[in-house]
Amino acid sequence: EIVLTQSPAFLSVSPGERVILSCRASQDVSNDFAWYQKRPGQAPRLLVYGASTRATGIPARFSGSGSGAAFTLTISSLQSADFAVYYCQQYHDWPRTFGQGTKVEI
Amino acid sequence: QVQLIQSGAEMKRPGASVKVSCKASGYTYTNFGVSWVRQVPGQGLEWMGWVSVDSGNTVFAENLQGRLTLTADSTTGTASMELRSLRLDDTAVYYCAHSCSNINCRNDWFDPWGQGTLVTVSS
Repeated sequence: EIVLTQSPAFLSVSPGERVILSCRASQDVSNDFAWYQKRPGQAPRLLVYGASTRATGIPARFSGSGSGAAFTLTISSLQSADFAVYYCQQYHDWPRTFGQGTKVEI
Repeated sequence: QVQLIQSGAEMKRPGASVKVSCKASGYTYTNFGVSWVRQVPGQGLEWMGWVSVDSGNTVFAENLQGRLTLTADSTTGTASMELRSLRLDDTAVYYCAHSCSNINCRNDWFDPWGQGTLVTVSS
């Protein structure tokens, strides 16, 4: 199975800062790649699909990039609502897999 | 508005089975699939399996194969997940998510998601 490794595991930041999250795949997944935001007590929320396409209703401060085996999610200016855990996911092959998550905290 | 509505919380004994349902609303009941994802408390997201609402085809995570059954009814737009021989470490929030309709699909991002169903396994 394709293993996704996210870094860092934890990120301590302040509102207004720029944040860059990384995800590396154990093999080439082309751009069959998504990012999700998970807040406590809420369902995951799709942020980006196709590695770089923002989902409907997602603010422009979220941007995804990369292809192949290395991907990044950038939050240009962190807002209070953005403190959450972020997961990457590949849908290039079965089984679908998630990264272990990056927790963005104050 | 597209929505997936899941059944309510469950409490089960070890060795029992649990069935969670996921009903689609706001779109046609064909040409989609449902993936199931769980989150054990304090841990990350784990993909469990996928079912096509159109064909009934399924794919399972290897570690759950043999204990997991996924079904779907295209007439009602309802998918179900049954997990058997429950263990204490199956305690988790279980989510359904809108997914691709066929096994060769390359657009299989998950959106939207159900609200989640807490399954507690306790003796």
